[in-house]
Amino acid sequence: KAGVTQTPRYLIKTRGQQVTLSCSPISGHRSVSWYQQTPGQGLQFLFEYFSETQRNKGNFPGRFSGRQFSNSRSEMNVSTLELGDSALYLCASSFRQASTDTQYFGPGTRLTVL
Amino acid sequence: AQSVSQHNHHVILSEAASLELGCNYSYGGTVNLFWYVQYPGQHLQLLLKYFSGDPLVKGIKGFEAEFIKSKFSFNLRKPSVQWSDTAEYFCAVNPRAGGNEKLTFGTGTRLTIIP
Repeated sequence: KAGVTQTPRYLIKTRGQQVTLSCSPISGHRSVSWYQQTPGQGLQFLFEYFSETQRNKGNFPGRFSGRQFSNSRSEMNVSTLELGDSALYLCASSFRQASTDTQYFGPGTRLTVL
Repeated sequence: AQSVSQHNHHVILSEAASLELGCNYSYGGTVNLFWYVQYPGQHLQLLLKYFSGDPLVKGIKGFEAEFIKSKFSFNLRKPSVQWSDTAEYFCAVNPRAGGNEKLTFGTGTRLTIIP
């Protein structure tokens, strides 16, 4: 089975712009979560989607949003980019929303905001 | 809310040395526990996980971890490390109840193995 794929892998934007990142989960996985990884804050949870519904949300401003499509693919959007949004954005998928699910991670999208 | 502490920020060992990386969590209920590894330039990979049952779990590449409920700990061990184990290691937890809740990660431990 192919793993979690994320596009693009690298992105350079300037302050004030917006960006959309894409994630394709492992085939058959219906839950997608997004995380932000930075040297200072480590890995922080952004949000989780299951069957096109946002089920959990982390402590990030409303500039960070996401959605999930009927084929389980997910996108996250960051509007009005700030320098501090520079990070590695990771997507993880799991089979179902069960208490013993395991999340599998993609390679990430490295976003640089200038 | 749950939290995870990894007290070792950077560990340097020689090849063939034994490894133990500490992980402590804080949460009032039952949790699932995970260790992930991030090799240089690669994505996060699952090393091992604990849901229930035998508190000593074995993972890939010779790693194991022991869940000690009374100490809220889930330390990672390997009897003899190799140069290829150089990586960053993350401990993570999520609550058992409520389904696929968010993973809370520790700050990570950077492991450097000297040949």
